[in-house]
Amino acid sequence: SSGLTQDPAVSVALGQTVRITCQGDSLRTYYASWYQQMPRQAPVLVMYGENNRPSGIPDRFSGSTSGNRASLTITGAQAEDEGDYYCESRDSSGNRVFGGGTKVTVL
Amino acid sequence: EVQLVESGGGLVQPGGSLRLSCAASGFIFSDYSMNWVRQAPGKGLEWVAYSAGSSSAVYHADSVKGRFTISRDNAKNSLYLHMNSLRAEDTAVYYCAREFWTGYIYYMDVWGKGTTVSVSS
Repeated sequence: SSGLTQDPAVSVALGQTVRITCQGDSLRTYYASWYQQMPRQAPVLVMYGENNRPSGIPDRFSGSTSGNRASLTITGAQAEDEGDYYCESRDSSGNRVFGGGTKVTVL
Repeated sequence: EVQLVESGGGLVQPGGSLRLSCAASGFIFSDYSMNWVRQAPGKGLEWVAYSAGSSSAVYHADSVKGRFTISRDNAKNSLYLHMNSLRAEDTAVYYCAREFWTGYIYYMDVWGKGTTVSVSS
């Protein structure tokens, strides 16, 4: 299967740590990339490869991969981190695929 | 400044056609692969189509295969999505996104603001 599975929603207390996971067979071959999307805005890349942050993304964001599971961790979550997070990868046919998204709520 | 600007969205009847455009600036367009990604109201992101930078390779999602066609004009720094036989379920915001890849790492690092397509009678 080329699908990517994410938990629909997670919540985290302000300043605490939250891990968002993404599972799929394609992750055994290709790294996941991660996107943050705020309401009514375009997605923004926040993580790619094993653990690479684009310029401007805070270092409280980190990534990891193990087997068929990729994770995005926010250490010390802030109110502005609240939003939807999507993982993305590709399959052997060249198709790109997104996970269903995880809604992060900061309490 | 690296920028992508989509246009061409609108209201169209079921069975109709539309062509979306994405104007790129601030980078060498032909050096990059490009994607169309859509988001239906209240739903998640869905990859639609891919176009390689300087080769003719294109891929389309099964949900649009045979109805949508991605194309590009590197001389005009533009990406297109030709949409035919539109259905209500094609209603979405359509984003174009630049792709970068190296080895087994792929990611979409630049996104436009999107253009809205509504399919309704």
